[in-house]
Amino acid sequence: ETGVTQTPRHLVMGMTNKKSLKCEQHLGHNAMYWYKQSAKKPLELMFVYSLEERVENNSVPSRFSPECPNSSHLFLHLHTLQPEDSALYLCASSRRIMNTEAFFGQGTRLTVV
Amino acid sequence: ILNVEQSPQSLHVQEGDSTNFTCSFPSSNFYALHWYRWETAKSPEALFVMTLNGDEKKKGRISATLNTKEGYSYLYIKGSQPEDSATYLCAFIRGGSNYKLTFGKGTLLTVNP
Repeated sequence: ETGVTQTPRHLVMGMTNKKSLKCEQHLGHNAMYWYKQSAKKPLELMFVYSLEERVENNSVPSRFSPECPNSSHLFLHLHTLQPEDSALYLCASSRRIMNTEAFFGQGTRLTVV
Repeated sequence: ILNVEQSPQSLHVQEGDSTNFTCSFPSSNFYALHWYRWETAKSPEALFVMTLNGDEKKKGRISATLNTKEGYSYLYIKGSQPEDSATYLCAFIRGGSNYKLTFGKGTLLTVNP
């Protein structure tokens, strides 16, 4: 238990669906992150929020839309995804951005059919 | 694209052996280097955050060194145990006007009893 909770743990969605991934931390951290782990590829950083402001967007397609309503919650809204978007999506938080250790959630295993 | 290489890709050792692996990264615009341990079916767990050239950090039987001038970090495990079996990931963070975090592909360590 890392203190970072992600829901749902598994998600199967069609290409025309809209769904959201949720991440929650009550560690008092100021930075939150979305990562993607595709098969046989390194972990990829998607988005970074610091104090609820987005500070990094690694050229992620617009079909992924993050939202950080407060410092404890982070969402990833998904719409019109492709089968190649199937992956493990991990959320993480850290006390400060980038130079303190990150605590990861257990991830959402997403399958797009 | 930042080149972050980890070697070896995988490693099998016997219980009690000591082992080490390498993370290579660009030697310019260094901001921080993170080491994580990722066991199957669990979340990545932070081991070390290293920010200064010459840093040496230790946690139990695991230690790490950092050379930012030549662009490498070593992770050492002394007296490996079966529970050390995991993928060990490094993440390089480039500084500058905006942060850029890049993970290596990891070293998969298997410790045989």
